[in-house]
Amino acid sequence: KQEVTQIPAALSVPEGENLVLNCSFTDSAIYNLQWFRQDPGKGLTSLLLIQSSQREQTSGRLNASLDKSSGRSTLYIAASQPGDSATYLCAATQGGSEKLVFGKGMKLTVNP
Amino acid sequence: EAGVVQSPRYKIIEKKQPVAFWCNPISGHNTLYWYRQNLGQGPELLIRYENEEAVDDSQLPKDRFSAERLKGVDSTLKIQPAELGDSAVYLCASSPSGRDEQFFGPGTRLTVL
Repeated sequence: KQEVTQIPAALSVPEGENLVLNCSFTDSAIYNLQWFRQDPGKGLTSLLLIQSSQREQTSGRLNASLDKSSGRSTLYIAASQPGDSATYLCAATQGGSEKLVFGKGMKLTVNP
Repeated sequence: EAGVVQSPRYKIIEKKQPVAFWCNPISGHNTLYWYRQNLGQGPELLIRYENEEAVDDSQLPKDRFSAERLKGVDSTLKIQPAELGDSAVYLCASSPSGRDEQFFGPGTRLTVL
């Protein structure tokens, strides 16, 4: 059974810092891993999808990497801004299926 | 292009009452998902549809929850009767197929009193 962990649960940083958000998963037989952002009271916004055959994906100031052998993914946010404040969730497919298993998320606060 | 549409956005009911949620996925997306998100937790899958077929409903409490996706487009999730523990946000998502990027709707926040 896939388990996804995100540590720490919360992070507060000053504006402008480069950030690394961590995600670990127990079952390396994944189809893909997806990073989401959730603003308070809103649904999830997809940020990046990494297929199992890929090592990383980039979108603007965001870069996500995947290391299946170690069961880890990282989301790198360059030059953080107050508008990046949100909860970031990582989700990996359960081994042998397309079912996404989510972590509990990491609440990011970027202070001006 | 319109995103995933859900209604209602908020619902407050007394326990033992029935409730229904509606979802319209992104046009052309064959796969539709219903998730439940409890406070401080990540979403948990309740049911996944490929077109009209429910291909994964192992996490759906079938004694009180039911879902349908007639004609393979929009979908309805029903709870009858609702219990206090059903208070949560119910999220609908869609994707072109099961291994593609999932896109979420805004969710329905259910409060059971």
